[in-house]
Amino acid sequence: QVQLQESGPGLVKPSETLSLTCTVSGDPISNYYWSWIRQPPGKGLEWVGHIGSRGGTNYNPSLKSRVTISLDTSKNQFSLKLTSVTAADTAVYYCARFGYPRGDWSFYFMDVWGQGTTVTVSS
Amino acid sequence: DIVMTQSPLSLPVTPGEPASMSCRSSQSLLHSNGYTYLDWYLQKPGKSPQLLIYMGSNRASGVPDRFSGSGSGTYFTLKISRVEAEDVGVYYCMQALQTRAVTFGGGTKVVI
Repeated sequence: QVQLQESGPGLVKPSETLSLTCTVSGDPISNYYWSWIRQPPGKGLEWVGHIGSRGGTNYNPSLKSRVTISLDTSKNQFSLKLTSVTAADTAVYYCARFGYPRGDWSFYFMDVWGQGTTVTVSS
Repeated sequence: DIVMTQSPLSLPVTPGEPASMSCRSSQSLLHSNGYTYLDWYLQKPGKSPQLLIYMGSNRASGVPDRFSGSGSGTYFTLKISRVEAEDVGVYYCMQALQTRAVTFGGGTKVVI
């Protein structure tokens, strides 16, 4: 059974960098795509970005200049870095498994989610 | 970017009765491979979202058969054949056709 666990600081100061890690257990990370999603307090879901097993990435256009997602296959982890944070980046951050390649195509859906981690941006 | 619009915003339901909600996309979600890249998620109160329906009409593992997804092109529907109390929460649709800009709908809140 695949499980995902987010970890990282719960409080980040404005203008600093938010760093989170998602640890995957139960399946090699190299077989799938992986995504970060966030949810500001009382609001809906927002896709942050995703990474493929070969390291290829896609980022939300509204965050692209500040986001980096990376993969560490040796630790079966993937990570999120968001620079120059403001209060608007305060949210619950989720990691999720986001599909897999199949032949010439890929299938994308978030079938396994972490429990989420709350990140507050405040001085 | 593809805009996802869900309705209604809030859906009062009665246990044992059917319920239905819709999701509209600003562009067709039909891929050239013949698959539709539209998923449905349920976020129960205080919990992480869970996958209900993927690729338009496929129930995820462990999802009760009272949930069904249908639709094509730009209009999609999620139906619950007989609502149970545990079905309350916010339902989101999501498109993954444009993986450079994955987008969610605003959500439909189901209340008893």
